[in-house]
Amino acid sequence: DTGVSQDPRHKITKRGQNVTFRCDPISEHNRLYWYRQTLGQGPEFLTYFQNEAQLEKSRLLSDRFSAERPKGSFSTLEIQRTEQGDSAMYLCASSLGGSPDSQYFGAGTRLSVL
Amino acid sequence: AQTVTQSQPEMSVQEAETVTLSCTYDTSESDYYLFWYKQPPSRQMILVIRQEAYKQQNATENRFSVNFQKAAKSFSLKISDSQLGDAAMYFCAYRSGATNKLIFGTGTLLAVQP
Repeated sequence: DTGVSQDPRHKITKRGQNVTFRCDPISEHNRLYWYRQTLGQGPEFLTYFQNEAQLEKSRLLSDRFSAERPKGSFSTLEIQRTEQGDSAMYLCASSLGGSPDSQYFGAGTRLSVL
Repeated sequence: AQTVTQSQPEMSVQEAETVTLSCTYDTSESDYYLFWYKQPPSRQMILVIRQEAYKQQNATENRFSVNFQKAAKSFSLKISDSQLGDAAMYFCAYRSGATNKLIFGTGTLLAVQP
């Protein structure tokens, strides 16, 4: 069990550029989640996958954001035309399902939009 | 909508002493789960303890225990025999039995004094 892995750990980009983050969940976990955390706040839910199906999306996930999990394993989160307000820590979590279905988090990708 | 409130932005405890972190939540649901997560500086979020709402017995994990008061919608975390490594931001989180997203409070920053 290597835990949830996220890449890159840090990303600096210029406003208007596209960025993509990757998340590798714990290997036997079929559920995967993306959250966004800004300074001084708790994480906010963005989206959730069960296997390859995206089952829940927050209204925080504007049309510039897209997430995929094509083979039910790793997931990518893409932000198009980045804005300074997108600067945040993007956290990925995974879970096994069942009850209480505890979520385990990765170290996050810190995005800075200049 | 469900909300989670952590009214203590910062707390401090002496090493080896006991500290209690407060959390209240608002929900009209009967099926839900509550969690405490620890986020050390620049490190990933770690699950500390979890509680199913249908269980009357308070959860305990080594030096960590909760006081779950369902009627009062209160879920406090007690850390006994505090250690320097306990210093971190602690987040309380709620998950409805009907969805998979976690709703987090704003966190309590715990300092442990040697």
